[in-house]
Amino acid sequence: DQQVKQNSPSLSVQEGRISILNCDYTNSMFDYFLWYKKYPAEGPTFLISISSIKDKNEDGRFTVFLNKSAKHLSLHIVPSQPGDSAVYFCAARSGGGSNYKLTFGKGTLLTVNP
Amino acid sequence: NAGVMQNPRHLVRRRGQEARLRCSPMKGHSHVYWYRQLPEEGLKFMVYLQKENIIDESGMPKERFSAEFPKEGPSILRIQQVVRGDSAAYFCASSPPAGSGNTIYFGEGSWLTVV
Repeated sequence: DQQVKQNSPSLSVQEGRISILNCDYTNSMFDYFLWYKKYPAEGPTFLISISSIKDKNEDGRFTVFLNKSAKHLSLHIVPSQPGDSAVYFCAARSGGGSNYKLTFGKGTLLTVNP
Repeated sequence: NAGVMQNPRHLVRRRGQEARLRCSPMKGHSHVYWYRQLPEEGLKFMVYLQKENIIDESGMPKERFSAEFPKEGPSILRIQQVVRGDSAAYFCASSPPAGSGNTIYFGEGSWLTVV
């Protein structure tokens, strides 16, 4: 039972355009959502997060939107750069407090073409 | 400020041997997590530890796998009698005490290959 789903295994965009990565979840108990970026043979790098009490969080070129009623979140990257090419993982937390037991999606491979 | 340190980065073991993976959390972090990533999959939670305590081990296989985070020294993930299906990337993560931060940070990973 996959509680966090990233239905697009891959996405290709042109440099300078917007990249939109999507994520759906099924567990209503998730209270915090995170996006990680991962290069091959490296660990995931934290990008941006959002609490379930918010619907938007922005950090530079990265914006995360949360639609709780639809159980959907998305990561927008604008403008996209070739260095953004990586696998992006959506993750959700349950348990609250200091417990970061995260449930991850399978990832979306983003390719930004020069 | 050193990040989460894992070693070894790559480990090859024959079937039936033991694998030990080590993780030193970021400075000031008291919570450690282990995740496993199988090929073509996302990361799967294994265990959450604080110093000398296992808080949540709901993702650990029932047999052959154990984890500890002693008072002194790194956290250890131990896999006994490894099998081919244990081949994966094992990621350690750490987080600060409650109320001190809002995310966890991952190490570079340890890649285990069982031959």
